[in-house]
Amino acid sequence: DVKVTQSSRYLVKRTGEKVFLECVQDMDHENMFWYRQDPGLGLRLIYFSYDVKMKEKGDIPEGYSVSREKKERFSLILESASTNQTSMYLCASSRRENTEAFFGQGTRLTVV
Amino acid sequence: GDSVTQMEGPVTLSEEAFLTINCTYTATGYPSLFWYVQYPGEGLQLLLKATKADDKGSNKGFEATYRKETTSFHLEKGSVQVSDSAVYFCALMTLTGGGNKLTFGTGTQLKVEL
Repeated sequence: DVKVTQSSRYLVKRTGEKVFLECVQDMDHENMFWYRQDPGLGLRLIYFSYDVKMKEKGDIPEGYSVSREKKERFSLILESASTNQTSMYLCASSRRENTEAFFGQGTRLTVV
Repeated sequence: GDSVTQMEGPVTLSEEAFLTINCTYTATGYPSLFWYVQYPGEGLQLLLKATKADDKGSNKGFEATYRKETTSFHLEKGSVQVSDSAVYFCALMTLTGGGNKLTFGTGTQLKVEL
């Protein structure tokens, strides 16, 4: 079975902290994605990556950055956390072709 | 840019009723289309997909047909069950730059009652 693992299920951070969300997949997928999920807004794409060290902005990249140093790992970085970044964060991966994406269980981040 | 519009919920149905959840899209090129489902307390999982015009995706009694002329991918099921209660997301995947961008709609919550 494909597995996408996010490092934390729940996280509480203070305003202004630098926050790292980690995601690891075990199926050698080329594509990896970071979304945030908010009630009434669905899933909004923050960043995605199609290869090591390659990244593209999604629809809401402001306040976030990403890192992909190894194929299996895709990190989301909140440079200076703010309360409006309180959300559920979902990581996903897929093969290069137009195929299904597999999702992690999500990290619920609360910024206080 | 790419976008997906789906009907707002919640949709509340009685068991064995017919279900339609509308989904339309805007995209350049020839996207692949998907329906994902999120059951309460669980992660997103693929329900069905279609990769080219006129393809029909189906799974667990759900169906959706890729209609290029109307840019639609409506989800249907002939007889819903209480266990189908979940949030349903329509999504499209397009080729952009060197990779694939996956864009979701806002989700439609379905509640099925006895």
